[in-house]
Amino acid sequence: DTAVSQTPKYLVTQMGNDKSIKCEQNLGHDTMYWYKQDSKKFLKIMFSYNNKELIINETVPNRFSPKSPDKAHLNLHINSLELGDSAVYFCASSRDRSNGYTFGSGTRLTVV
Amino acid sequence: QKEVEQDPGPLSVPEGAIVSLNCTYSNSAFQYFMWYRQYSRKGPELLMYTYSSGNKEDGRFTAQVDKSSKYISLFIRDSQPSDSATYLCAMSGGTYKYIFGTGTRLKVLA
Repeated sequence: DTAVSQTPKYLVTQMGNDKSIKCEQNLGHDTMYWYKQDSKKFLKIMFSYNNKELIINETVPNRFSPKSPDKAHLNLHINSLELGDSAVYFCASSRDRSNGYTFGSGTRLTVV
Repeated sequence: QKEVEQDPGPLSVPEGAIVSLNCTYSNSAFQYFMWYRQYSRKGPELLMYTYSSGNKEDGRFTAQVDKSSKYISLFIRDSQPSDSATYLCAMSGGTYKYIFGTGTRLKVLA
């Protein structure tokens, strides 16, 4: 039973397209996150939702829009994809501020 | 200067060696410190977490925090080839936002 699951695992798409990545957690955690990991393995936070409320919104192009229909789901929609959006996107969840994250297995996005 | 600095490696050690992985940071407000292990093409998994200064031990892993020097370490005893992975430190000042280091690639040679 996967704790944090993301779909799709791989996504190859052309520049200019719009795509979505879905994330679901069955841990009962209140907070969910989107992180971007670049080719050098650097993990950078993008967004966080706590009980469906946006609490972290880093400097991210507004082509990226998160949506949390309920506290177990956090989706990421990306408009007008660019080459520089190619990365691995990780969803994560946490119970509170001090216990760390549980990460999903990532979505490898390649924009061609 | 990045908030969290970590040597990217790679660090190659023979099986059975003691491994020392380190991070330095600049923000004195950081109180929560974590280490994650990431295998190739997988998500990071939480290994250890500590609050404030001190040591914490879990099996072959020991995490140390020295807040006065703004320096944290992860020691792996009796390293195994299965420990070969990228190790990421992460830290927070008590908010939901954790700042990650760039990760150190570790190779344990059989």
